[in-house]
Amino acid sequence: EVMLVESGGGLVKPGGSLKLSCAASGFTFSSYAMSWVRQTPEKRLEWVATISSGGSYTYYPDSVKGRFTISRDNAKNTLYLQMSSLRSEDTAMYYCARHLTADYWGQGTTLTVSS
Amino acid sequence: EIQMTQSPSSMSASLGDRITITCQATQDIVKNLNWYQQKPGKPPSFLIYYATELAEGVPSRFSGSGSGSDYSLTISNLESEDFADYYCLQFYEFPRTFGGGTKLEIK
Repeated sequence: EVMLVESGGGLVKPGGSLKLSCAASGFTFSSYAMSWVRQTPEKRLEWVATISSGGSYTYYPDSVKGRFTISRDNAKNTLYLQMSSLRSEDTAMYYCARHLTADYWGQGTTLTVSS
Repeated sequence: EIQMTQSPSSMSASLGDRITITCQATQDIVKNLNWYQQKPGKPPSFLIYYATELAEGVPSRFSGSGSGSDYSLTISNLESEDFADYYCLQFYEFPRTFGGGTKLEIK
């Protein structure tokens, strides 16, 4: 069974930093590109970052480029999202998702950016 | 960036009804479109990929169609478990973009 378990969310002040993790199991993690997707309190879904299976290639939309960094440790079957210069509009539920087409999602971890 | 316009944003229907949700892209996405279902407090669940292919375990009352820039999700013979939010996603290019969602409520 494919399982993705996110952790690391919390309450952060504007301008702060946080690192999310996603532990993967039930599939060959190193064979899949992985992504982070967020859902705002208004329920809008936004694709946040993607990393290739080997970690060589990454993609970010303009809204987070230069502030967020996606990475992975294939030996630990874990995906990461380092977030810095956080803004109130980054407040969302953050999901990790498998593959370039998001076929499996974790349960999510919540980030709240507020003073 | 490809914009995905999903409609309606909300709708109500009765058990046994047949409903259709549409997504229109701002360009041809060559069937690179997924549909997801989301229930309260849960992550989106994979329903349909490449516009028409049912994901594993999805009931056959769900179907997808479309081509070019216009796509639709149809649910036939609505059951109580189908009342949820639905989203489309284009994966033709980065940035991946989602439709705004459709809230399907029971009438």
